[in-house]
Amino acid sequence: SQQGEEDPQALSIQEGENATMNCSYKTSINNLQWYRQNSGRGLVHLILIRSNEREKHSGRLRVTLDTSKKSSSLLITASRAADTASYFCATDASGGSYIPTFGRGTSLIVHP
Amino acid sequence: NAGVTQTPKFRVLKTGQSMTLLCAQDMNHEYMYWYRQDPGMGLRLIHYSVGEGTTAKGEVPDGYNVSRLKKQNFLLGLESAAPSQTSVYFCASRETGTRNEQYFGPGTRLTVT
Repeated sequence: SQQGEEDPQALSIQEGENATMNCSYKTSINNLQWYRQNSGRGLVHLILIRSNEREKHSGRLRVTLDTSKKSSSLLITASRAADTASYFCATDASGGSYIPTFGRGTSLIVHP
Repeated sequence: NAGVTQTPKFRVLKTGQSMTLLCAQDMNHEYMYWYRQDPGMGLRLIHYSVGEGTTAKGEVPDGYNVSRLKKQNFLLGLESAAPSQTSVYFCASRETGTRNEQYFGPGTRLTVT
């Protein structure tokens, strides 16, 4: 069963706009990761945020984590057509597990 | 580095046939994983391995077997394919140090008729 659930399932925006995706999970975690998947390709790791961190940045990506609400958000600023992809969150449960549980993903379309 | 590679990229099987999917990684990672991805279902873990000679069941192991005889290779076998196993299969390996990232292969698209 999926631990992480992304919201929305699909998002369509114009180039230059910001895109925000959310992930909710159910149990205590060590860390949460975000991945991108382009159509027909494997997943690519974007960013990892640990349970004791609240915010992390990487280029145009900003990830927040609220462990009290068991939720995370991924913000892509100034989106580009090349950002069109599916985005997945994955969580490692507390206790040193390296077996991540993936959500169903958010499909992002950025129109040029 | 080639990263994670998968063989084959595509395959069509008839019900009841068997096949083996090969995953190879050249990053010396201990952890390796096999997932299947179906529309609207995200990634579901089939089996995983925490090191050479070890394997463990994931969320959806039925109908699949795995072996990890060498650290760099992780094989996924289907002994008697069923149409329900039509899916895209991804292999991944993981660095468990500072970066703690999973690296994914390009996927194998399997159709069982």
